[in-house]
Amino acid sequence: ETGVTQSPTHLIKTRGQQVTLRCSSQSGHNTVSWYQQALGQGPQFIFQYYREEENGRGNFPPRFSGLQFPNYSSELNVNALELDDSALYLCASSSPRSGGDNEQFFGPGTRLTVL
Amino acid sequence: AQSVTQLDSQVPVFEEAPVELRCNYSSSVSVYLFWYVQYPNQGLQLLLKYLSGSTLVKGINGFEAEFNKSQTSFHLRKPSVHISDTAEYFCAVSAAGGSTLGRLYFGRGTQLTVWP
Repeated sequence: ETGVTQSPTHLIKTRGQQVTLRCSSQSGHNTVSWYQQALGQGPQFIFQYYREEENGRGNFPPRFSGLQFPNYSSELNVNALELDDSALYLCASSSPRSGGDNEQFFGPGTRLTVL
Repeated sequence: AQSVTQLDSQVPVFEEAPVELRCNYSSSVSVYLFWYVQYPNQGLQLLLKYLSGSTLVKGINGFEAEFNKSQTSFHLRKPSVHISDTAEYFCAVSAAGGSTLGRLYFGRGTQLTVWP
């Protein structure tokens, strides 16, 4: 069983550029959630995708967008990068169901630096 | 929505001493509660979770936590720490149903440093 993988590991961009981060979910999981973890902070929920549809969004501007593919892998896209976008971006996969196991499995993250 | 407060940003402790990392949550609905550990330059690893049932939850690496609904707390404990327990610990909460099922809300983290 393969765990959650993310690519790339590290990325350096300049302000105004666009970036795409990728995530492969764990086998059998149909839900992917993205989190932003700024330095010294806890992860913050960006959005969640369930069966290729956005299923909830945190307090992030529209320049943060995503996709989920039929194999349940996912992309996070950020347009018009700002310095404050510098963070560790974590992807987590799960198969949430009410009353049952709600564990999310996290990938190792992508460290984005915006100069 | 749900929120989490981790009361201590840093906890230093000597090896083999007991430790408690404090977590309080706020929610208007029933919740699931989690503790995650993050080692430097790594993702998050689940230590333990509370979904329902017994309020004392045992996890990996000798950690345990107790859910206290009246005090809205979920403190993490270990009776004897090792140097390898040095890491950042995050408490997280999610709704136990409804449209926000599966979304985690994290605290700001507690850095546990174990000294020899």
